[in-house]
Amino acid sequence: EVQLVESGGGLVQPGGSLRLSCAASGFTFSSYAMSWVRQAPGKGLEWVSAISGSGGSTYYADSVKGRFTISRDNSKNTLYLQMNSLRAEDTAVYYCAKEKDIVATITFDYWGQGTLVTVSS
Amino acid sequence: QSALTQPASVSGSPGQSITISCTGTSSDVGSYNLVSWYQQHPGKAPKLMIYEVSKRPSGVSNRFSGSKSGNTASLTISGLQAEDEADYYCCSYAGSSTFGVFGGGTKLTVL
Repeated sequence: EVQLVESGGGLVQPGGSLRLSCAASGFTFSSYAMSWVRQAPGKGLEWVSAISGSGGSTYYADSVKGRFTISRDNSKNTLYLQMNSLRAEDTAVYYCAKEKDIVATITFDYWGQGTLVTVSS
Repeated sequence: QSALTQPASVSGSPGQSITISCTGTSSDVGSYNLVSWYQQHPGKAPKLMIYEVSKRPSGVSNRFSGSKSGNTASLTISGLQAEDEADYYCCSYAGSSTFGVFGGGTKLTVL
């Protein structure tokens, strides 16, 4: 059974940093691209960042480019999102999502339950 | 990276059919057959309902179908049931630079 479990969310001040983790199990982690998708309170879904299975290719939404860094440790079956220079508008539930196929196509067949990040003073 | 355009809400009675549109541009929906649809119930994670425009994952009811014409994709739900009441989001691949974009979401109410 595929499982994605996010952790690392919490309350952080504007300008601060936070690192999210997503522990994956139930599939060959290194074979699949992964993404982070966020949802601000009461708002829609927003794709944030993606990484290839090997970790060699990364992609970012314009809204987080230069501030967020996606990475993965295939030996630990874990996906990360390092978030720096956080802003109030980064407040959201952050979901870890698995690509349906080996190639990254923004098609997510499994999602975690999300971790809430709140940016506030 | 502008969001895809969806109606804010749609409604229908049990047994009826509804269609949710998702309008993008020639850079995303119009260029790739990589449109997917997600269902999200309150407080829950999204669930994949349709991928590659019209394919259904295993376990998803055949009451759900997808299509695309030009820059607009559509999700049709036939034989509406109470449990279909949820938010629905479309998503499209948009090339290696922009990568991905979601629609703003549509709230489906089953009357």
